[in-house]
Amino acid sequence: NAGVMQNPRHLVRRRGQEARLRCSPMKGHSHVYWYRQLPEEGLKFMVYLQKENIIDESGMPKERFSAEFPKEGPSILRIQQVVRGDSAAYFCASTNPGTANEKLFFGSGTQLSVL
Amino acid sequence: GENVEQHPSTLSVQEGDSAVIKCTYSDSASNYFPWYKQELGKRPQLIIDIRSNVGEKKDQRIAVTLNKTAKHFSLHITETQPEDSAVYFCAASINDYKLSFGAGTTVTVRA
Repeated sequence: NAGVMQNPRHLVRRRGQEARLRCSPMKGHSHVYWYRQLPEEGLKFMVYLQKENIIDESGMPKERFSAEFPKEGPSILRIQQVVRGDSAAYFCASTNPGTANEKLFFGSGTQLSVL
Repeated sequence: GENVEQHPSTLSVQEGDSAVIKCTYSDSASNYFPWYKQELGKRPQLIIDIRSNVGEKKDQRIAVTLNKTAKHFSLHITETQPEDSAVYFCAASINDYKLSFGAGTTVTVRA
């Protein structure tokens, strides 16, 4: 059981570039959640996706940020034209709804650094 | 939305003593309260959780209590050990996925 896999672990981008963060859910899980953690703060919910569908994106900035979870392949969190304030750790979690008392288990995260 | 306050922000305890972290929440509809432990540079790990139909839950040296009337919940770590040193986060939610986290408590266990 490999758990939730995220890559890359570290990503460095210059201001104005694009960042793509990938998340492969646990085997058998069809729902993915993205959270962002700023330095010395708690995690903040960004978006909840199931395959080919966004369920809840209320925590995601309206501009520059997008997320997808295609039928095949990992979930992608995309940040266009990155700014220094985007520097943070981005964590992904997955579940298999329909199972009683679902709990969120996070991946190892991607540390994004914007120069 | 839900607002979770967590205290203290830092906590230093002697090995073997107990540590208590307290959190309050604002949304009376919240019914799920997990606690996460995060070591430096690592993922947050779920250590214990409680649902609103339960007042207390214990797992070895860790216990969580919930007071729905007062809208606060606490984490208790007994017989602390050096490996308990980490940042601890409380969270609250009306469902299982949209967690609102506290700002964290840095716990240091002195040998």
